[in-house]
Amino acid sequence: EVQLVESGGGFVQPGGSLRLSCAASGFTFSPFWMTWVRQTPTKGLEWVANINPDGSGKNYVDSVKGRFTLSRDNAKNSVYLHMNSLRADDTAVYYCARNGPAHASDIWGQGTLVTVSS
Amino acid sequence: QSALTQPASVSGSPGQSITISCTGTSSDIGGYKYVSWYQQHPGKAPKLIIYEVSNRPSGVSNRFSGSKSGNTASLTISGLQADDEADYYCSSYSSISTPYVFGAGTIVTVL
Repeated sequence: EVQLVESGGGFVQPGGSLRLSCAASGFTFSPFWMTWVRQTPTKGLEWVANINPDGSGKNYVDSVKGRFTLSRDNAKNSVYLHMNSLRADDTAVYYCARNGPAHASDIWGQGTLVTVSS
Repeated sequence: QSALTQPASVSGSPGQSITISCTGTSSDIGGYKYVSWYQQHPGKAPKLIIYEVSNRPSGVSNRFSGSKSGNTASLTISGLQADDEADYYCSSYSSISTPYVFGAGTIVTVL
């Protein structure tokens, strides 16, 4: 079965750090761009970042630049979102997704909740 | 405020057809064919139902169809069914700000 499974979410105080993981299975991981999207009830879906197949290219939404870092380990079929200097407005469900045809995200994980609060 | 504009809600009776619009600019929808649509049921992850304006992934019902005219993309659901009750989001590649933008979502209600 083709799937993505996120982990690492939780409760953290402002200024803290978390590392989200996304493990892929059921498909050949290495050729695909991978994306993180977050969702809140108020802002809806927001594209956060993506990473190219060999990990040399990364893009980030302006609001997380300098605070979040993407990495991947193709040997472990995994992608990681390192989040530092977390703020209350980073509170969201974070989804890992595979970049499929024509820039669309064709496979999504179940999501992991990140709550930033004092 | 989302980059793409969708109606907050659309409703229809079983068997009817409904259309959801998604309006952007020439920097996103109008300038590229990379428009996609996602269906999200409560508590679930989004599911891709349309990519590249009008293409359906394998396994997606042909009751879902997409189109684009100028800066506006549209999703049509024909033969509305109870299971179609969900939130629907459009997305597009964008040449400004973030590479990808989403609409705020449309709640579809089957009456």
